[in-house]
Amino acid sequence: DAGITQSPRHKVTETGTPVTLRCHQTENHRYMYWYRQDPGHGLRLIHYSYGVKDTDKGEVSDGYSVSRSKTEDFLLTLESATSSQTSVYFCAISESGAGDQPQHFGDGTRLSIL
Amino acid sequence: QQQVKQSPQSLIVQKGGISIINCAYENTAFDYFPWYQQFPGKGPALLIAIRPDVSEKKEGRFTISFNKSAKQFSLHIMDSQPGDSATYFCAACFYGGSQGNLIFGKGTKLSVKP
Repeated sequence: DAGITQSPRHKVTETGTPVTLRCHQTENHRYMYWYRQDPGHGLRLIHYSYGVKDTDKGEVSDGYSVSRSKTEDFLLTLESATSSQTSVYFCAISESGAGDQPQHFGDGTRLSIL
Repeated sequence: QQQVKQSPQSLIVQKGGISIINCAYENTAFDYFPWYQQFPGKGPALLIAIRPDVSEKKEGRFTISFNKSAKQFSLHIMDSQPGDSATYFCAACFYGGSQGNLIFGKGTKLSVKP
C-alpha cells in the first residue's frame, strides 16, 4: 500500500469551529489531492497541489483552504465548519499528475459537524 | 460537459454471475477512463483503466468495454465472488493532463450473494 496517512481518522466538532485535516505521504509524490465523499455524489475534488506551495481549486473548494509547506504534508482547513461539510474526506497522491498515473488514496477522515 | 454518469446506484448479483456497471461521459476530450474499487472503511484503489483507442481491455475477471461513438464504457465482472462486494467508481480524465482533473461517477455499490 502507498504510504499515506490521514489524521485524525475520526473527528466530531461544532459548527463555527476551525478544523484542520492532515495528509502525510512517504512516497515523495509530487501531486496531492483532497476529495470529499458523500452519498449520492461520489468523490468530488476540493483542492489539489502540484508541488510545495503550489495549489489549485477543485470542483467544491468553497469553504476550504489548503497548504503544502513540505512535499510530504498537505493540510486541509475548514476555517469555520458548517454542517454541510460533514463528510468523509480522502487524501490522494499521484507521482506526476498525468492522467495515466493512478491516484493512491488514504483511508479517509470521517468528519461530523454538529 | 464535465459529468460522468454512472448506473446503477446499487447492484445485487449471485455468486458466479456477471456484474455489469455502466458509465457515460459528455466531454469528448476525455481520453483515459479508469475504474476504482472501494471497500468499506478504505480509500478507493485503481482496478483497471482503458484508453479510447481500444474497444475492450481485460484483466482477469474484470473487463472494460468502450464505445467511443456512444460515449459510454462499462465494467464487467465475470464469475462474481463475495469478495468483489464493494463500491465501484468509473472516472474520466485527460491522458496527458496534469491538473488533477479526474472526474468520478457517483459510484455503484455491488453486493455479491453467496
